[in-house]
Amino acid sequence: KAGVTQTPRYLIKTRGQQVTLSCSPISGHRSVSWYQQTPGQGLQFLFEYFSETQRNKGNFPGRFSGRQFSNSRSEMNVSTLELGDSALYLCASSRGLDEQYFGPGTRLTVT
Amino acid sequence: AQSVTQPDIHITVSEGASLELRCNYSYGATPYLFWYVQSPGQGLQLLLKYFSGDTLVQGIKGFEAEFKRSQSSFNLRKPSVHWSDAAEYFCAVGGGPTFGRGTSLIVHP
Repeated sequence: KAGVTQTPRYLIKTRGQQVTLSCSPISGHRSVSWYQQTPGQGLQFLFEYFSETQRNKGNFPGRFSGRQFSNSRSEMNVSTLELGDSALYLCASSRGLDEQYFGPGTRLTVT
Repeated sequence: AQSVTQPDIHITVSEGASLELRCNYSYGATPYLFWYVQSPGQGLQLLLKYFSGDTLVQGIKGFEAEFKRSQSSFNLRKPSVHWSDAAEYFCAVGGGPTFGRGTSLIVHP
């Protein structure tokens, strides 16, 4: 069974730009969660989508948004990028409330 | 609100020595508990999980964890550490879940 895939793996953007990250969950998984990981703040929960609906949301500004498609694939968008948005963005999928399976992450660098 | 505390930021052990990584949680009901491992540049991999039943849980790579409700703890253990176990370890609680800040394991040869 294929794992969680994230594209792109690496990305360099300039302050003020916007970026879209993509996540394809494991087949059959309807829940997709997004996390931001930085050395200073650790692993922080961004949001979770289940069957195309946002089910949970972390404490991030409105510049961070996401969506989920009918095939459970999910995208995350960050608008008006700031230097502090540089991080590893992790996507995880699950069937529901059980364990999550993580992708390798997208390393975003904002210059 | 649920929370997780991993009190040790770094742990250094010698190869072959035993290991215990601490995790304390705060949760309003019987928790779902997880331990994940992250190697450099990689995503997180599930080591083990506790939902209910036997409080001693066996996981992959020779790891185990014990749920102690009275102490709100879910410590991870391994009897003999291998150099390849050097990584970041995360404890997590809940259906979300909420992650601890992680413990970096350093293994000396």
